[in-house]
Amino acid sequence: AQKVTQAQTEISVVEKEDVTLDCVYETRDTTYYLFWYKQPPSGELVFLIRRNSFDEQNEISGRYSWNFQKSTSSFNFTITASQVVDSAVYFCALSEAFSGGYNKLIFGAGTRLAVHP
Amino acid sequence: DTEVTQTPKHLVMGMTNKKSLKCEQHMGHRAMYWYKQKAKKPPELMFVYSYEKLSINESVPSRFSPECPNSSLLNLHLHALQPEDSALYLCASSQTGAGSTEAFFGQGTRLTVV
Repeated sequence: AQKVTQAQTEISVVEKEDVTLDCVYETRDTTYYLFWYKQPPSGELVFLIRRNSFDEQNEISGRYSWNFQKSTSSFNFTITASQVVDSAVYFCALSEAFSGGYNKLIFGAGTRLAVHP
Repeated sequence: DTEVTQTPKHLVMGMTNKKSLKCEQHMGHRAMYWYKQKAKKPPELMFVYSYEKLSINESVPSRFSPECPNSSLLNLHLHALQPEDSALYLCASSQTGAGSTEAFFGQGTRLTVV
């Protein structure tokens, strides 16, 4: 069975601090996909990144970076120099590959990040 | 344009009412989804449509009835709901093809059943 664990329920930081959100996943599939989404108070889930199981290259996008390690089944997310606008709930998600090309996202419990001025 | 539009934004309905949630996307995506999210919980998949055909039903009670009239529209018909069905209902869409592509979500409909 597939499972995503985000052990950090809530994180509180002061603006400009770096923060890392942890994500550990379980799957028996050899091909799978990992995602991070941001959910601000408005409710919309905002897509941040997708990573394929066969691509372990880390990625940086502005202040955001992701560390994918298959050996530890982790896909961690780091925000550098956090800002108040980063305050939101962040979800890590896992999907297997379906022949129809759609996905079936299994979400972690989410980490609520509060960035204080 | 990566927009998924859901209407209404808020809905209050009685347990004997019939209502519908609507979702629209114009990104040419052929997969569309309904997710349900209870307060302080992650979203949970309800239904997946691929090329306007129902591909996944996650054992959702029959009081929830999905419909995909065309490739841009997705409806969720509600009838005889219970107070515990109160939640944020999120619609999403994604491309189809080999592998799994990212889903784009709407802002959701906050449903309250009284």
